[in-house]
Amino acid sequence: DAGVIQSPRHEVTEMGQEVTLRCKPISGHNSLFWYRQTMMRGLELLIYFNNNVPIDDSGMPEDRFSAKMPNASFSTLKIQPSEPRDSAVYFCASSFSGGLVNQPQHFGDGTRLSIL
Amino acid sequence: GQSLEQPSEVTAVEGAIVQINCTYQTSGFYGLSWYQQHDGGAPTFLSYNALDGLEETGRFSSFLSRSDSYGYLLLQELQMKDSASYFCAAPFSGGYNKLIFGAGTRLAVHP
Repeated sequence: DAGVIQSPRHEVTEMGQEVTLRCKPISGHNSLFWYRQTMMRGLELLIYFNNNVPIDDSGMPEDRFSAKMPNASFSTLKIQPSEPRDSAVYFCASSFSGGLVNQPQHFGDGTRLSIL
Repeated sequence: GQSLEQPSEVTAVEGAIVQINCTYQTSGFYGLSWYQQHDGGAPTFLSYNALDGLEETGRFSSFLSRSDSYGYLLLQELQMKDSASYFCAAPFSGGYNKLIFGAGTRLAVHP
């Protein structure tokens, strides 16, 4: 079975540029999570969706970050304009939420983002 | 608020047993999960404890004590491939499986 698919795997760009990260969750999963991981701050939840609806975006650092989930099989995380401090590994994860809180999250391989 | 505390590093030798502890403070608690992450890789789910006691899955076991707000991951017969970071995580309520992760424990297994 295909896991969570993220693209690109690596992105290097100059500050000020727009960055778009993409995620395809596991088919049948109805919750999708975007995380950012750095050495300093660890694994941070940025935003999560349930049934394509954003539930909590309190982890989004600032207005430069936005996320969408136009359908059950696709989500994007956009940074515009990008800054060097946005350099991190960005993970997308999905799970099935049916009223239970013990369904594991399945992570994609991540996008390693470097802003020069 | 909700927070999870775990040691930053643990070192052990091949074949040994190691225990990684996790203490938590939560406003509502539903269970404790453990994830493994190899360098350059993605976190992968290891185990989940909803009830007190020990859950065993092969060489890995996980324990939870709700009264002590404490859990641990036990790794037996350590292998070099077990060198990784291990995260405890606790879900929020709401049925959406939102997780809060600890800072992670980096396990180094030596020959």
